[in-house]
Amino acid sequence: GDSVTQMEGPVTLSEEAFLTINCTYTATGYPSLFWYVQYPGEGLQLLLKATKADDKGSNKGFEATYRKETTSFHLEKGSVQVSDSAVYFCALTTDSWGKLQFGAGTQVVVTP
Amino acid sequence: EAGVAQSPRYKIIEKRQSVAFWCNPISGHATLYWYQQILGQGPKLLIQFQNNGVVDDSQLPKDRFSAERLKGVDSTLKIQPAKLEDSAVYLCASSPDARRAGELFFGEGSRLTVL
Repeated sequence: GDSVTQMEGPVTLSEEAFLTINCTYTATGYPSLFWYVQYPGEGLQLLLKATKADDKGSNKGFEATYRKETTSFHLEKGSVQVSDSAVYFCALTTDSWGKLQFGAGTQVVVTP
Repeated sequence: EAGVAQSPRYKIIEKRQSVAFWCNPISGHATLYWYQQILGQGPKLLIQFQNNGVVDDSQLPKDRFSAERLKGVDSTLKIQPAKLEDSAVYLCASSPDARRAGELFFGEGSRLTVL
């Protein structure tokens, strides 16, 4: 079945550091890929998405590129802020109903 | 635009008791999902509705869990009887239409503790 694997956390960074969270997937067919973020005390929210190979999703300074050859969708941000402290989930869907398969999540802690 | 509303936010019960969670999706969203998120894990889909019909309930433990979506709007998820391993956050999400597959709007969740 479909699955998503993310790097384990927590990832602890200083403000203005470069952030990378690795995500790889296994899927039948051609999935759409997503990053969701959960800030403390809030619900999950969509951060960015990519629907086909070589697409780049971007939002709030975050980027991720759909790499079919390596089945990856790594999340990056060039300069993190304390407000980026959250849990980040990589996810995919392969069906038209949009059923999402999530990774286990990666906690990111940014210190001043 | 109002978001997805869920209640209660927190619930503590003893094992073998029952519990119900309520969800009101974003107005006009035809698709509604219930996910279970166990601490340290990603959300797992329990059931998906399209309007008031079930699209996928393959991972719903039907011997103890039930869900309904009357009139294609609000939804309730019930657990009876609860087990210790049901301790989790129950997330409700809705989606506007199939053209935006995977773009889900989540509520804040209902945290269940089973003692």
